[in-house]
Amino acid sequence: DQQVKQNSPSLSVQEGRISILNCDYTNSMFDYFLWYKKYPAEGPTFLISISSIKDKNEDGRFTVFLNKSAKHLSLHIVPSQPGDSAVYFCAANRAYNAGGTSYGKLTFGQGTILTVHP
Amino acid sequence: KAGVTQTPRYLIKTRGQQVTLSCSPISGHRSVSWYQQTPGQGLQFLFEYFSETQRNKGNFPGRFSGRQFSNSRSEMNVSTLELGDSALYLCASSLRGETEAFFGQGTRLTVV
Repeated sequence: DQQVKQNSPSLSVQEGRISILNCDYTNSMFDYFLWYKKYPAEGPTFLISISSIKDKNEDGRFTVFLNKSAKHLSLHIVPSQPGDSAVYFCAANRAYNAGGTSYGKLTFGQGTILTVHP
Repeated sequence: KAGVTQTPRYLIKTRGQQVTLSCSPISGHRSVSWYQQTPGQGLQFLFEYFSETQRNKGNFPGRFSGRQFSNSRSEMNVSTLELGDSALYLCASSLRGETEAFFGQGTRLTVV
């Protein structure tokens, strides 16, 4: 049972335009969500996070939106740059009701390959 | 502030051997988690340690084990290696294991 899903395996965007990466989750116990960027054979790099008490969080060119009722989150990158080309993973955690089998466990989506063309 | 350091970066082992991977977390972080990344299964949680105690474990066989030392450094061990253990092994550290986790560069293990 895949609790975090990224339904788009890939996304292609022109430089300067907006990139929108989507993620859906099924476990209502998740209350903290993160986005990571990853290059092949390297560890994921943390980009931005959002807790379930918010519906939006911004950091520079990156904005994450959370729709709890739809169990959906999205990452917006504006403007997109060629250096943004990488695999993007969303991940979910239980931060505010952690316990038992949730400690230290991020549940990841399968990733979306973003390609930004010059 | 130094990031998460994993050693070694690359390893080649033979089936049946065992291997130990090391992870030094960010200073002040007490939670260390380990993940396995393979093309078919994505990023999968192995286990998490906090204050030298394993608090959580993923669905991996007992051949996969770990430990954490008093300085929060962690090691994971895989015994009786199988070809399917070939993967990128990632370590992540966080303050207490509930919010942002920061990853190391990973150890690429190849079993031949």
